[in-house]
Amino acid sequence: GENVEQHPSTLSVQEGDSAVIKCTYSDSASNYFPWYKQELGKRPQLIIDIRSNVGEKKDQRIAVTLNKTAKHFSLHITETQPEDSAVYFCAARGTGTASKLTFGTGTRLQVTL
Amino acid sequence: EPEVTQTPSHQVTQMGQEVILRCVPISNHLYFYWYRQILGQKVEFLVSFYNNEISEKSEIFDDQFSVERPDGSNFTLKIRSTKLEDSAMYFCASSAFTEAFFGQGTRLTVV
Repeated sequence: GENVEQHPSTLSVQEGDSAVIKCTYSDSASNYFPWYKQELGKRPQLIIDIRSNVGEKKDQRIAVTLNKTAKHFSLHITETQPEDSAVYFCAARGTGTASKLTFGTGTRLQVTL
Repeated sequence: EPEVTQTPSHQVTQMGQEVILRCVPISNHLYFYWYRQILGQKVEFLVSFYNNEISEKSEIFDDQFSVERPDGSNFTLKIRSTKLEDSAMYFCASSAFTEAFFGQGTRLTVV
């Protein structure tokens, strides 16, 4: 089955700096890669996603890149703010609309003043 | 904005007891899921449900677990005889096509 690795497990950046979180996946058939932000005790919330037919997607300060050949994808957050502090999870989903999401192990991002 | 709702938000139960976790998916969604998250760990898939039957289940989803869509709006997860290791946050999710929307979770504590 699919296996998703995520690094780093913790990341501390100063406000205004950029943060990059990286994930790799094992199943070349996976075709959908969402990123979720989870604040303490709350639900995972989708912040950006990318499909396998696209190499990059950007939404304001957040961007995701996908390298299908290498089977890795990354989340980039620019101009970080304290409210960006949370745990971020990457995920991968295979073919089939009802296919499950396989999550990475999470990255705890702390943005310091 | 429509959202997935779960009840209860927190459930404490004794080991060996049965629990039912309830979810109301977004109304026009057709695909339903249960995930769990043990404290401080990643989100793990339990089961997916479509067209009134299980589409896929993980190794975690053993004979102690069952799911049901008893009416047109609710989607339930039953754990027949809870174990200490079932203590976790359980998330329901639903999707119409691609994007999965998560409920706020039910924190299950087995004592």
